[in-house]
Amino acid sequence: GNSVTQMEGPVTLSEEAFLTINCTYTATGYPSLFWYVQYPGEGLQLLLKATKADDKGSNKGFEATYRKETTSFHLEKGSVQVSDSAVYFCALSEGGNNDMRFGAGTRLTVKP
Amino acid sequence: DSGVTQTPKHLITATGQRVTLRCSPRSGDLSVYWYQQSLDQGLQFLIQYYNGEERAKGNILERFSAQQFPDLHSELNLSSLELGDSALYFCASSVVGGPPFFGPGTRLTVL
Repeated sequence: GNSVTQMEGPVTLSEEAFLTINCTYTATGYPSLFWYVQYPGEGLQLLLKATKADDKGSNKGFEATYRKETTSFHLEKGSVQVSDSAVYFCALSEGGNNDMRFGAGTRLTVKP
Repeated sequence: DSGVTQTPKHLITATGQRVTLRCSPRSGDLSVYWYQQSLDQGLQFLIQYYNGEERAKGNILERFSAQQFPDLHSELNLSSLELGDSALYFCASSVVGGPPFFGPGTRLTVL
């Protein structure tokens, strides 16, 4: 079945460091891929998405490229801020989002 | 603010009890989803409704049930509660083919 595997955390970075959170997926067809972010005490928020191979999703300085050849959707940001401290979830859906699968989440802490 | 509302925000109850969690989806969204988030099991999909009909079922226990009403709001009923049911319960909603937008969650504590 479909599944998502993302790098285990926690990840701790200094402000202005480069961020990469790895995400790989297994799917039978052609899923859409998503990154969600959960700030402390809040629900998950959609951060970015990509619906087909080679698409790049971007938002708030974060980017992720849908790589079919490596079945990956790694999240990157060139310069993180303290306010980016949160838990990041990679997710995929196939067949009209009635089967959305989430990764385990990666906790990011950014220190000043 | 995602536009999805959930009540109550916090709920403290005892083992063996029954509770009801309520969710109002974003305006125009016909799909509602329920998720459970716990420290040891991460984010687990429980169930999805579309326009009042059950669409997909995930890891939902038999002690749990849900429904979506004609006005599209949804309720998740949890009965015979156990300590292990303590978790954050999220509702999400979406349009057909769109990604789900999550509510702020209900934190359930079972003592």
